[in-house]
Amino acid sequence: DGGITQSPKYLFRKEGQNVTLSCEQNLNHDAMYWYRQDPGQGLRLIYYSQIVNDFQKGDIAEGYSVSREKKESFPLTVTSAQKNPTAFYLCASSHHSATNEKLFFGSGTQLSVL
Amino acid sequence: GQSLEQPSEVTAVEGAIVQINCTYQTSGFYGLSWYQQHDGGAPTFLSYNALDGLEETGRFSSFLSRSDSYGYLLLQELQMKDSASYFCAVRKNQGGKLIFGQGTELSVKP
Repeated sequence: DGGITQSPKYLFRKEGQNVTLSCEQNLNHDAMYWYRQDPGQGLRLIYYSQIVNDFQKGDIAEGYSVSREKKESFPLTVTSAQKNPTAFYLCASSHHSATNEKLFFGSGTQLSVL
Repeated sequence: GQSLEQPSEVTAVEGAIVQINCTYQTSGFYGLSWYQQHDGGAPTFLSYNALDGLEETGRFSSFLSRSDSYGYLLLQELQMKDSASYFCAVRKNQGGKLIFGQGTELSVKP
């Protein structure tokens, strides 16, 4: 089955620790995105990548880092510099040539601070 | 700056029709999308408008007026399973980032 997979579903971070959230897609999509969602809020863009080995900052990139070494994978690292990391993190992908540029989302990772 | 405005909550009864509005102010505009998200789940794509007018997909329709920077999602024959959050989203240019509104929580009552 084609789709986009995020892992883990739940993640706990200790003070001063970096953690990495995994995102893999087998849809052959060019673009991938990371969004953060706080309770009762909309989705805020952290980083996005339109092509392998290239990515751009979104609206709230501070305290986060990404890499795009493979088309299928777009991991997000939440660094110790992110002082309020507790949130629901959503990864998405899309195909540039699709006329509606529809985003396909993973099932999300809930990150909490210990 | 850029902003998308939509009502925070809407309540309707089963079988009714509900309209969720979205107004946007962005430095560029390529298209308006709508997504549905059930509690704790992933958002799923509902519809997309790049040109003025109405797009219909089953019980859901979406409308866009580019001159008014306004769109809406129309849900007909409401069902209990339609209770969810609905987000409008604007893409400023082809292949560029997608900016989401704060979401409208729809509650469908029996």
